[in-house]
Amino acid sequence: EDQVTQSPEALRLQEGESSSLNCSYTVSGLRGLFWYRQDPGKGPEFLFTLYSAGEEKEKERLKATLTKKESFLHITAPKPEDSATYLCAVRGTYKYIFGTGTRLKVLA
Amino acid sequence: DSGVTQTPKHLITATGQRVTLRCSPRSGDLSVYWYQQSLDQGLQFLIHYYNGEERAKGNILERFSAQQFPDLHSELNLSSLELGDSALYFCASSLPTDLNTEAFFGQGTRLTVV
Repeated sequence: EDQVTQSPEALRLQEGESSSLNCSYTVSGLRGLFWYRQDPGKGPEFLFTLYSAGEEKEKERLKATLTKKESFLHITAPKPEDSATYLCAVRGTYKYIFGTGTRLKVLA
Repeated sequence: DSGVTQTPKHLITATGQRVTLRCSPRSGDLSVYWYQQSLDQGLQFLIHYYNGEERAKGNILERFSAQQFPDLHSELNLSSLELGDSALYFCASSLPTDLNTEAFFGQGTRLTVV
């Protein structure tokens, strides 16, 4: 069964303290791994799509990487406005399967 | 702005009632997905429509149904509402199903059943 597991569940960082979020996946034939950011009470906002092992994508302080079994979202020198829940998803058969997310809090 | 529009933004209704949630996908997207997100829970897949036809169902209750119309907008109907149905309901859209591209989400409808 296709499955996505994210860790840690929650993460508190000081402003400027870099870290990484993990997304482990089990899927029969990866057809895309996706990262989203979700603010409380809002819809998920698309960040990145990765398709093959070794692929990397960057946007401002965020960089997403992909291996055959997991993906990492690296946050470099985070700011308080980066506080949000970060969701990882894989493309299953006619649906997207989401992990439960990592709640990130960046303290000033 | 993702380009996906959901209405209404908020809905408060009583147990036993029926409500309809509406979603307009991004221009050009043929696929519409519905997800439920309860408090502190992950996104649970409900149903997927592609160009008017049902493509996949998740753990959607029999009291819930959906459809996609010729203009590609979609509606999610929730009936015999229970307190436990209170949640955020999201619609997402993407390009045709044979392209493994990302989905874009609307801002959701917050349903409160009292």
